[in-house]
Amino acid sequence: AQKVTQAQTEISVVEKEDVTLDCVYETRDTTYYLFWYKQPPSGELVFLIRRNSFDEQNEISGRYSWNFQKSTSSFNFTITASQVVDSAVYFCALTPNAGNNRKLIWGLGTSLAVNP
Amino acid sequence: GAGVSQTPSNKVTEKGKYVELRCDPISGHTALYWYRQSLGQGPEFLIYFQGTGAADDSGLPNDRFFAVRPEGSVSTLKIQRTERGDSAVYLCASSLSTDTQYFGPGTRLTVL
Repeated sequence: AQKVTQAQTEISVVEKEDVTLDCVYETRDTTYYLFWYKQPPSGELVFLIRRNSFDEQNEISGRYSWNFQKSTSSFNFTITASQVVDSAVYFCALTPNAGNNRKLIWGLGTSLAVNP
Repeated sequence: GAGVSQTPSNKVTEKGKYVELRCDPISGHTALYWYRQSLGQGPEFLIYFQGTGAADDSGLPNDRFFAVRPEGSVSTLKIQRTERGDSAVYLCASSLSTDTQYFGPGTRLTVL
């Protein structure tokens, strides 16, 4: 079975703090993709990153960074120097890397509130 | 370029009525997915199209739900005899073959 767990339901921080959003996944597939999406109050899901299970290198994009550890089945997301505009629900998702059907298996999301 | 668009943005209907939700994918995207998101939950897969055919409809909750994509572009999700439990945001996503999925703004369906 495939499953994504985001244990943190809600996080509240003050602007400029660093914050890490946790994601733990389960899959029997040998290859797969992991994703993070952002859902701001407007509701539209915004793609942030895709990571192939073969590639365990950490990635940094501006204030965002991702830590993929296959040994612990985790794909955590860190926002450095958070800003009010980062307030949103963040979803971690998983899809197999086999065949054409890449339906996404989603976590329940973490609601991040960045307060001024 | 234009992203995924969905119409209507909001739909209020009465229990027992029929509704159609439309999705216009990004031009050239061959894969199209429908998901449903209830309040406080992550999206839940409904159906996947590759071209014109529904390659995986295992997520459709029952036979009241049906979706088509007759020309391999626009898709319509159809719900018959709506029930209050069908109230949710219906999300559409498209992708180039097996690439990253890009989402539309969703249709908020409310069944009274």
